[in-house]
Amino acid sequence: DGGITQSPKYLFRKEGQNVTLSCEQNLNHDAMYWYRQDPGQGLRLIYYSQIVNDFQKGDIAEGYSVSREKKESFPLTVTSAQKNPTAFYLCASSPLRGEKLFFGSGTQLSVL
Amino acid sequence: GQQVMQIPQYQHVQEGEDFTTYCNSSTTLSNIQWYKQRPGGHPVFLIQLVKSGEVKKQKRLTFQFGEAKKNSSLHITATQTTDVGTYFCAGPRIQGAQKLVFGQGTRLTINP
Repeated sequence: DGGITQSPKYLFRKEGQNVTLSCEQNLNHDAMYWYRQDPGQGLRLIYYSQIVNDFQKGDIAEGYSVSREKKESFPLTVTSAQKNPTAFYLCASSPLRGEKLFFGSGTQLSVL
Repeated sequence: GQQVMQIPQYQHVQEGEDFTTYCNSSTTLSNIQWYKQRPGGHPVFLIQLVKSGEVKKQKRLTFQFGEAKKNSSLHITATQTTDVGTYFCAGPRIQGAQKLVFGQGTRLTINP
């Protein structure tokens, strides 16, 4: 089945630790995105990428980093600089700009 | 910056009652998308509206795009328990249609 796979489903971070969230898609989509969702709030864009080896900051990029070495993969690293990382992280992809987004099942990140 | 506001934030109805959520943008939108997120799930695309004054129906769901392309609504007739979830509207940013701005969402709960 085609789709977007995020892992792990739950992740715990210790203070001062970097953690990486995985996102893989087999939809052959060019664009990929990372969103953060906090309770009672909408989705806020962290980073997005339109092509391999290129990515742009979204609205809340501070404390996060990404890479796009392969079309299928867009991992997100939550660094120790992100002081409030507890949230639900959603990865998405789309075939073209402005097209609908396909979301993964999300990763819930919590701080120990 | 560009903002997309949704009201109400929460709505509780009796099964069989109608439900409406409203979306307002601070700027004119080239299109608007609607997503549904079930509890514990991820957002799923419902529909995209493009034309001024456009109305689209999906069974019991009716979507409207305002004449000025700055507001939109989703109306559900005779709600069912399967309609439970959070409904988000999203519109593209002025610079770069691939960057969607999401509303805060309307969380719908239903009393069976």
